[in-house]
Amino acid sequence: KNQVEQSPQSLIILEGKNCTLQCNYTVSPFSNLRWYKQDTGRGPVSLTIMTFSENTKSNGRYTATLDADTKQSSLHITASQLSDSASYICVVIRHNAGNMLTFGGGTRLMVKP
Amino acid sequence: NAGVTQTPKFQVLKTGQSMTLQCAQDMNHEYMSWYRQDPGMGLRLIHYSVGAGITDQGEVPNGYNVSRSTTEDFPLRLLSAAPSQTSVYFCASTQGARGYTFGSGTRLTVV
Repeated sequence: KNQVEQSPQSLIILEGKNCTLQCNYTVSPFSNLRWYKQDTGRGPVSLTIMTFSENTKSNGRYTATLDADTKQSSLHITASQLSDSASYICVVIRHNAGNMLTFGGGTRLMVKP
Repeated sequence: NAGVTQTPKFQVLKTGQSMTLQCAQDMNHEYMSWYRQDPGMGLRLIHYSVGAGITDQGEVPNGYNVSRSTTEDFPLRLLSAAPSQTSVYFCASTQGARGYTFGSGTRLTVV
């Protein structure tokens, strides 16, 4: 079954600290993996898109890693800010599946001052 | 502003009522899709369209209809609303390998 599992479900950190969110998937065949940020009451916004051959991709303070062999990805947030408080969703797209996305349940991050 | 526009933002329906959730995009994207987001669960695909005149079912299509008469619009119809359809609905569009653009969502409550 094609699934995407994220951990932790929720996380509280202090402003300025770093954190790492995990994503494990069983989606096959794999096309690409995306991390989205979803603010409360808003639609998801893309942070990174990673293909099979990419190991690391950065977007400002966000760095995503991908290990296609173990089917794991992580999103590392550096020097967190209050505005980082949101849900972070890992999404995997199957190859030759008509752009179908499989969503993880998300990690809800709260950054406290 | 370019993007995906969803209306309404909030809606309360009585069981058995029907309604249409509107979705419009001005980016000339071929691919559009509808998702529902429930607490503790990932977004689930309801219906999608790969172009005007072409639609197909996703993971949870029962109770919903769609049509795609133009590239810009992709409305989602609830035929006879049920409490199980209480959810937040997101419309998204994309073109090729680019990232998806999501609308801001419609929060639907069925009582």
